Amino acid sequence: QVQLVESGGGVIPPGGSLRLSCAASGFMFSSYGIHWVRQAPGKGLEWVALISHDGSNTYYADSVKGRFTISRDNSKNTLYLQMNSLRAEDTAVYYCAKEAGLYDFWSGYFQSWGLGTLVTVSS
Amino acid sequence: SYVLTQPPSVSVAPGQTARITCGGNNIGGKSVHWYQQKPGQAPVLVVYDDRDRPSGIPERFSGSNSGNTATLTISRVEAGDEADYHCQVWDNTRDHWVFGGGTKLTVL
Repeated sequence: QVQLVESGGGVIPPGGSLRLSCAASGFMFSSYGIHWVRQAPGKGLEWVALISHDGSNTYYADSVKGRFTISRDNSKNTLYLQMNSLRAEDTAVYYCAKEAGLYDFWSGYFQSWGLGTLVTVSS
Repeated sequence: SYVLTQPPSVSVAPGQTARITCGGNNIGGKSVHWYQQKPGQAPVLVVYDDRDRPSGIPERFSGSNSGNTATLTISRVEAGDEADYHCQVWDNTRDHWVFGGGTKLTVL
């Protein structure tokens, strides 16, 4: 059974940095791309970033490009999101979500989701 | 960038049919996916590739997509279907994944 568990959220002042983690189990982690998706309080879902199965390719939403970095450690079955220069508008629940397609044959949708971790950017 | 438009809310009586739309420029040329999200919970995939259902999703959930509108249809609505529903596409021209604003389904 696929399981994704996010951690690392908290309260951080504007301009600060934070690193989120996503621990995966129940599937061959190294064979799938993994996304970060966020949801601001009372708002809709927003895609943040994708990393390919082997970490060789990364993609970012325009709103976070240059400030956030997605990475993974396949030996630890763990995904990361390094968030720098945080802004109030980055306040959200951050979910990691598994791609349905194997390797780089992306399906275009999010097959499984974690429960999320809350990031609050506030002074 | 590609934009998806959903109505903020839809209301339906139990046992009736709910239809939630998702509008986008020539969305019929893309694959549309739908997620159900109950309060305080993570989203759950209910329809993918316009009309396919993951295992465990009731047949009451169905999808269609043509022209500029995709539709999620929930037949014989139950109280437990009350949730937010989000449509989503992959904009492969930019390698960006796009969501609609979400629709709150209320079961009267």
